[in-house]
Amino acid sequence: DARVTQTPRDKVTEMGQEVTMRCQPILGHNTVFWYRQTMMQGLELLAYFRNRAPLDDSGMPKDRFSAEMPDATLATLKIQPSEPRDSAVYFCASGRTVADTQYFGPGTRLTVL
Amino acid sequence: GENVEQHPSTLSVQEGDSAVIKCTYSDSASNYFPWYKQELGKRPQLIIDIRSNVGEKKDQRIAVTLNKTAKHFSLHITETQPEDSAVYFCAAGAGYSTLTFGKGTMLLVSP
Repeated sequence: DARVTQTPRDKVTEMGQEVTMRCQPILGHNTVFWYRQTMMQGLELLAYFRNRAPLDDSGMPKDRFSAEMPDATLATLKIQPSEPRDSAVYFCASGRTVADTQYFGPGTRLTVL
Repeated sequence: GENVEQHPSTLSVQEGDSAVIKCTYSDSASNYFPWYKQELGKRPQLIIDIRSNVGEKKDQRIAVTLNKTAKHFSLHITETQPEDSAVYFCAAGAGYSTLTFGKGTMLLVSP
């Protein structure tokens, strides 16, 4: 049963530090999504890629967030510098196409002190 | 772009009762409607989906109905059990754009 994997599962860091989150999509899925989930905002789409090319990152604060797909098996989300308001659970999801079923990873719980 | 409204935000039922969660969407081009269940501390997981060429789909105790004319779709859970307690998300998507998710419904099933 193929699954999306994410590392780390939990991250506690201090304000100002760089945070890197990693995601391995399901083999054969060419679309990767990054979401942020908080109690107040639900699931927010930050960015998504198709065939490793960024299609939309309008949901991401550009000054501190960046998302890349160095290869088909790895997607990264970086925050530099991190701030307490970035504390949330970050989910990666993958799918066969942009509009098809999305399969979520277990999430990275980020706490910025 | 697409806008998905989900109601109610919280739903409390007694074990054995039925639960219904409703979503409306704005883009008439949307043709794919999945439902996700997210248990506390876990990832959202697909539980059922429907495409625009059918009006209803059933899988054991859960069913989804779609009314394309009115642009709304609903999740029905019968004979609810405590393990059905979770947050449920609806979503809508068209072939040219990514899924748009509703804000979620927290379902609480009391024994």
